[in-house]
Amino acid sequence: GAVVSQHPSWVICKSGTSVKIECRSLDFQATTMFWYRQFPKQSLMLMATSNEGSKATYEQGVEKDKFLINHASLTLSTLTVTSAHPEDSSFYICSARDRTSGPYEQYFGPGTRLTVT
Amino acid sequence: AQSVSQHNHHVILSEAASLELGCNYSYGGTVNLFWYVQYPGQHLQLLLKYFSGDPLVKGIKGFEAEFIKSKFSFNLRKPSVQWSDTAEYFCAVNSDTGGFKTIFGAGTRLFVKA
Repeated sequence: GAVVSQHPSWVICKSGTSVKIECRSLDFQATTMFWYRQFPKQSLMLMATSNEGSKATYEQGVEKDKFLINHASLTLSTLTVTSAHPEDSSFYICSARDRTSGPYEQYFGPGTRLTVT
Repeated sequence: AQSVSQHNHHVILSEAASLELGCNYSYGGTVNLFWYVQYPGQHLQLLLKYFSGDPLVKGIKGFEAEFIKSKFSFNLRKPSVQWSDTAEYFCAVNSDTGGFKTIFGAGTRLFVKA
């Protein structure tokens, strides 16, 4: 149980275009999902927290207009990187909290590697 | 500010050597602690977690960790490493005072020589 999937697993886009990444909780309902980014050989940095049906909360330094997060249902959150630039190339990882198992643990997706050319 | 520190950025060991990776956190309130492993080219896997109870936690693949509240530490240990343990290890923490957002340490890259 507690499986989180991400789609796509790998995407290449041209500079200036937008790309959407999906995060789904497959066998549980997630009231809260988190988005992280991981640069090569670095740690995971929390970008934002999204709660179903409400606006996402962004961490300091993360541009909310550039990284649009939508959490429209209890099993789906999306991250849209708008007007992508090469410096946005990174590994984006989502995680989800099972609303029935308390707030302590998050289940992580496999990540999406974004390359902007 | 809430933070997680991992002391060793790179560790090189020979097979069968013992491993201890340090993790300290700076959080108020009740904390939940995790160790994750990321093998080359793969996604995060949970090694072990501590919420409450026995401060010595056993995880998968022979790993264990000890929560020492007075030292704000949660060090990861394994008595005898294998070549297949080569990976990056992340300590992570969340707490009620931080809205249960999980924050990661910088990671420790472990290389085990065969």
